Amino acid sequence: EDKVVQSPLSLVVHEGDTVTLNCSYEVTNFRSLLWYKQEKKAPTFLFMLTSSGIEKKSGRLSSILDKKELFSILNITATQTGDSAIYLCAVGISNFGNEKLTFGTGTRLTIIP
Amino acid sequence: ETGVTQSPTHLIKTRGQQVTLRCSSQSGHNTVSWYQQALGQGPQFIFQYYREEENGRGNFPPRFSGLQFPNYSSELNVNALELDDSALYLCASSFGQYSTGELFFGEGSRLTVL
Repeated sequence: EDKVVQSPLSLVVHEGDTVTLNCSYEVTNFRSLLWYKQEKKAPTFLFMLTSSGIEKKSGRLSSILDKKELFSILNITATQTGDSAIYLCAVGISNFGNEKLTFGTGTRLTIIP
Repeated sequence: ETGVTQSPTHLIKTRGQQVTLRCSSQSGHNTVSWYQQALGQGPQFIFQYYREEENGRGNFPPRFSGLQFPNYSSELNVNALELDDSALYLCASSFGQYSTGELFFGEGSRLTVL
């Protein structure tokens, strides 16, 4: 069975701190790994990773994928209160033409001012 | 460019009833996927529609069914509602048959089953 595990489940830090969120996976027919931010309802796209070792950056956020060890990390530097959200990791799986994203349970990040 | 819109935003049903949720995909997108997100969990894949045909299904019973229309909007129907069906139902749209790239999500429909 395809599995995506995120850690920690919950994290509380002070504004300005740097955080690292983890995502490990065991799936067949891997195609992609995606990170989403969910503040209220609609998850919003952050990154999509398909190749090992290539860091993707967007402002204070960055992410990297290790396809040998089957994990990805999401880094947020100089955290702000607006970073408080649930961060979801999803793995794209292709199975005989059927495509889907399998999500982890998410990491709830709380930034204290 | 309009984003993904879903309706209704909230609804309350009782066990055994039926519900229909609606989704309008983002302009230019022809693929719609539906996900169920229970409280404290990540979204779970229900099914996907590409050009009006079901193109993949997750581990959900047949009482979960769907449709995609020629304008690529979509419906999710759930029959014989159970208490465990209470969840946020998310619709996501994308372009092309392969939905393992970036998906654009709507705000969701929150269903409560009493």
